[in-house]
Amino acid sequence: GAVVSQHPSRVICKSGTSVKIECRSLDFQATTMFWYRQFPKQSLMLMATSNEGSKATYEQGVEKDKFLINHASLTLSTLTVTSAHPEDSSFYICSARDPSGGASLIQYFGAGTRLSVL
Amino acid sequence: DAKTTQPPSMDCAEGRAANLPCNHSTISGNEYVYWYRQIHSQGPQYIIHGLKNNETNEMASLIITEDRKSSTLILPHATLRDTAVYYCIVTGANSKLTFGKGITLSVRP
Repeated sequence: GAVVSQHPSRVICKSGTSVKIECRSLDFQATTMFWYRQFPKQSLMLMATSNEGSKATYEQGVEKDKFLINHASLTLSTLTVTSAHPEDSSFYICSARDPSGGASLIQYFGAGTRLSVL
Repeated sequence: DAKTTQPPSMDCAEGRAANLPCNHSTISGNEYVYWYRQIHSQGPQYIIHGLKNNETNEMASLIITEDRKSSTLILPHATLRDTAVYYCIVTGANSKLTFGKGITLSVRP
């Protein structure tokens, strides 16, 4: 299947700092990317939908000023967790929608970023 | 998106077929059935999807009932590496994926 690269795989930061996570689609151009968050023993929760060249659409309850999303090119979306706090510690996963699937589109996922805020 | 119901867990012996059921009785005509799996501490992996016909690829087979109200993912020869949480998701084309709790498959030696 298609490859989505996510970096870094793990980050540890101090409370109050900002952290940027990158998501790249390596073998297709993705007009739409998604950011998910997963807490321990829970399922993935969609945070936002990122559309190339336009503002992201955030799910209810997700603070857009805290989780900044930029989708400046067809192969790169970034998520910045601003002023991170311990409760932001989680597993963040991006995905990209492959536009070549015809009537049904497949989302491919990155390997995830484990964020630990001290 | 239509709701899906999966048993919380199941196990099977290595080398045997694993049949993972999913109920989606409220599926609408233009919604697809997608299967993903997530191995511990990794991102989800796409397995297969279908609309109404049965589908097969190198990883698995997807059997969708004629009324489309349920489906079964079949891993023909399960290995220990197939131990994971498997998610059955029903959604329209171009729609976002909403993950439920999935079914935890444990493959035993």
